Amino acid sequence: GAGVSQSPSNKVTEKGKDVELRCDPISGHTALYWYRQSLGQGLEFLIYFQGNSAPDKSGLPSDRFSAERTGGSVSTLTIQRTQQEDSAVYLCASSKTDSSYEQYFGPGTRLTVT
Amino acid sequence: AQSVTQLGSHVSVSEGALVLLRCNYSSSVPPYLFWYVQYPNQGLQLLLKYTSAATLVKGINGFEAEFKKSETSFHLTKPSAHMSDAAEYFCAVTRYFGNEKLTFGTGTRLTIIP
Repeated sequence: GAGVSQSPSNKVTEKGKDVELRCDPISGHTALYWYRQSLGQGLEFLIYFQGNSAPDKSGLPSDRFSAERTGGSVSTLTIQRTQQEDSAVYLCASSKTDSSYEQYFGPGTRLTVT
Repeated sequence: AQSVTQLGSHVSVSEGALVLLRCNYSSSVPPYLFWYVQYPNQGLQLLLKYTSAATLVKGINGFEAEFKKSETSFHLTKPSAHMSDAAEYFCAVTRYFGNEKLTFGTGTRLTIIP
């Protein structure tokens, strides 16, 4: 079965441009998470979607960051007016509501802002 | 708030030697603790988790961890290191066992010396 997929795998953008990062969770997984992994900040939570509930946006670092999840499946993380400090690997994870609650991670999108 | 501290950002062990990666937690409520492994250019993979069912938890690839409340620790061990164990290891905590965001430690890079 397919795991969590993310696209693109690498993205280089100029400072000030907007970028969209995509996550395809495992089919049937109701929960979807975005994390960011950077040299300076380590692994940090960004946002969490659970079914039709309002997302937990408490980890988004600024209002330049937003995310949506359409149809309870695919999610897009958008960063507007990118800054150099946004350079990081963006990881997506999904999990299902069962006894394990294990989060399955995608391979990540490496974002470089020049 | 929950947090985890990983002592030692880099650990080197000889092939066949004991692996010990340290993780201490800080939590106002009983924690749920996890160890994840990240191989180069890959996403994170769950090694094992503590959900209060048993204090000694066995995971994949021969790893295990023991929850010690008196020491607020959840150290990861493996009796005999293999070259394929070279990776970065992250300890993580959640507030409750369910679909919940992970709070990660800063990671420990494990190098295996042939």
